[in-house]
Amino acid sequence: GEDVEQSLFLSVREGDSSVINCTYTDSSSTYLYWYKQEPGAGLQLLTYIFSNMDMKQDQRLTVLLNKKDKHLSLRIADTQTGDSAIYFCAEVDSGNTPLVFGKGTRLSVIA
Amino acid sequence: GAVVSQHPSWVICKSGTSVKIECRSLDFQATTMFWYRQFPKQSLMLMATSNEGSKATYEQGVEKDKFLINHASLTLSTLTVTSAHPEDSSFYICSAPLHTEAFFGQGTRLTVV
Repeated sequence: GEDVEQSLFLSVREGDSSVINCTYTDSSSTYLYWYKQEPGAGLQLLTYIFSNMDMKQDQRLTVLLNKKDKHLSLRIADTQTGDSAIYFCAEVDSGNTPLVFGKGTRLSVIA
Repeated sequence: GAVVSQHPSWVICKSGTSVKIECRSLDFQATTMFWYRQFPKQSLMLMATSNEGSKATYEQGVEKDKFLINHASLTLSTLTVTSAHPEDSSFYICSAPLHTEAFFGQGTRLTVV
């Protein structure tokens, strides 16, 4: 079946950039997503990218997609303490199929 | 964006009792909803796909008689954990797709004592 892999932990200093990486195996992925989960809360969609794009920028967030290598990254510029959370990478084939999630990367921001 | 409302946010129940969790799409219709379970420090695992007007589809290893799913209308799906046991304690979360996005409920933290 499809698999999505992420590193489990990342620690950065406040003001630095964070880069969270993700690899996936499904070659028919249509959309790739980044979700943020704060402690005890549900999932918040941060951004998504269509598989025929290689970059998307939204304020402090930059998503890079290397479809050939099936590699997705999320860069957070000027990381703040409020960015501390777990970030999930997810992929989907089509609109009515469930997302496949990575295990999540716990981002810790040190003041 | 679209809103999916999930209730309750948290529930504590005694072993052997049943708990119902509701998932509502507030401003759009969802013929399909997904139910996920998340154990501490782990990822979300798909439990089942809820289909309006037909039976739910369960993932391998998920007991359909224990986790009853009812998709009563185009805006409501319910998950009932029957005869709950402590090992069912987890974070349950629903989502509903709309176009290119999946909208998630707030999640329900179930603790079985």
